[in-house]
Amino acid sequence: ETGVTQSPTHLIKTRGQQVTLRCSSQSGHNTVSWYQQALGQGPQFIFQYYREEENGRGNFPPRFSGLQFPNYSSELNVNALELDDSALYLCASSTLNDYGYTFGSGTRLTVV
Amino acid sequence: DAKTTQPPSMDCAEGRAANLPCNHSTISGNEYVYWYRQIHSQGPQYIIHGLKNNETNEMASLIITEDRKSSTLILPHATLRDTAVYYCIVRSPGGGSNYKLTFGKGTLLTVNP
Repeated sequence: ETGVTQSPTHLIKTRGQQVTLRCSSQSGHNTVSWYQQALGQGPQFIFQYYREEENGRGNFPPRFSGLQFPNYSSELNVNALELDDSALYLCASSTLNDYGYTFGSGTRLTVV
Repeated sequence: DAKTTQPPSMDCAEGRAANLPCNHSTISGNEYVYWYRQIHSQGPQYIIHGLKNNETNEMASLIITEDRKSSTLILPHATLRDTAVYYCIVRSPGGGSNYKLTFGKGTLLTVNP
């Protein structure tokens, strides 16, 4: 059983650019969630995807968007990057009625 | 989801039991208590969850008070690799709109040799 894998592990972007982060779910999991973790803070929920549709969203602006593919992998897209978008981005997968989430190791995004 | 309160940091000697408290005085009847931990620069790791009965697995034990207003995570024999931030989270059962985990700042547990 493979876990959740995220790519890339580190990324440096310039303010105003766009970025795409990728996540492969754990085998058998059909739900993917994304979290943003700023330095020294707990992870903050961005949104969740189930059956290729967004079915929940946290307090993040529309320039944060996502996709889920038929194989349950997912992408997080962020447009018009701002310095405050610098953070660790975490992907978590589960089944919809599961009690535990499996997290990936994250992508460290630095916006300069 | 109910709010939780945890101490910002705790120390524990290697080989001793680590007892991490969590207060969740506004917990509702159908809300579960979850514990996750995050070792530096890694993703959070699920540890255990419970509703009202005490729970034990290969990683830890979870003790929930009878009134469910607080709980304690117990690591029976802490090792240096247990040094991490531990998050106590209260949430409704999975499914539908009950999807997200609301993380606080957690407790930084430092296990000392």
